[in-house]
Amino acid sequence: DAGVIQSPRHEVTEMGQEVTLRCKPISGHNSLFWYRQTMMRGLELLIYFNNNVPIDDSGMPEDRFSAKMPNASFSTLKIQPSEPRDSAVYFCASSLRGGRSNEQFFGPGTRLTVL
Amino acid sequence: DAKTTQPTSMDCAEGRAANLPCNHSTISGNEYVYWYRQIHSQGPQYIIHGLKNNETNEMASLIITEDRKSSTLILPHATLRDTAVYYCIVRDSSNDYKLSFGAGTTVTVRA
Repeated sequence: DAGVIQSPRHEVTEMGQEVTLRCKPISGHNSLFWYRQTMMRGLELLIYFNNNVPIDDSGMPEDRFSAKMPNASFSTLKIQPSEPRDSAVYFCASSLRGGRSNEQFFGPGTRLTVL
Repeated sequence: DAKTTQPTSMDCAEGRAANLPCNHSTISGNEYVYWYRQIHSQGPQYIIHGLKNNETNEMASLIITEDRKSSTLILPHATLRDTAVYYCIVRDSSNDYKLSFGAGTTVTVRA
């Protein structure tokens, strides 16, 4: 089991550019989460999908952020246009909702730097 | 609107038990206590969870007081690889997807 896979692991871009982060959840999991972690705000939930449908996007900071899950094995988080304050580590996590523990399995994260 | 209170940091000697406290005095009957940890430069990792009974798994033990207002995570034999930030999270079973991570406790295991 490869775990949750995220790409790229590191991204450096300039302000105004579009950034796309990718996530492959654990096979068989039906829930997917995108989190953002910064020193100032800690770890925050951005959006939650269940069975590929967005259920809670209340944590998405603004319209510059969008997330999609076209199928059970792939999700993207897009920032357009990016700003320096978007610099953070972005984590994707997946879980089997209804499983014994609802444990969330986190990927290694994407460290985004917007110059 | 913090639901849990944890010490900012603590040190532990390698090979000894590490006891991590957490206060959750406003916990309600349908809320679980979850523990996650985050090793430097990695994503958070699930450790254990419980409702009211004590729980044990291969990683740790969770002791929840009878009134459920506090709990203790016990790492029985801490190793250097246990150095991490440990998060105590109260999770509502009706919104069971939500994990609200606070600041956690930075645990440093020293040789």
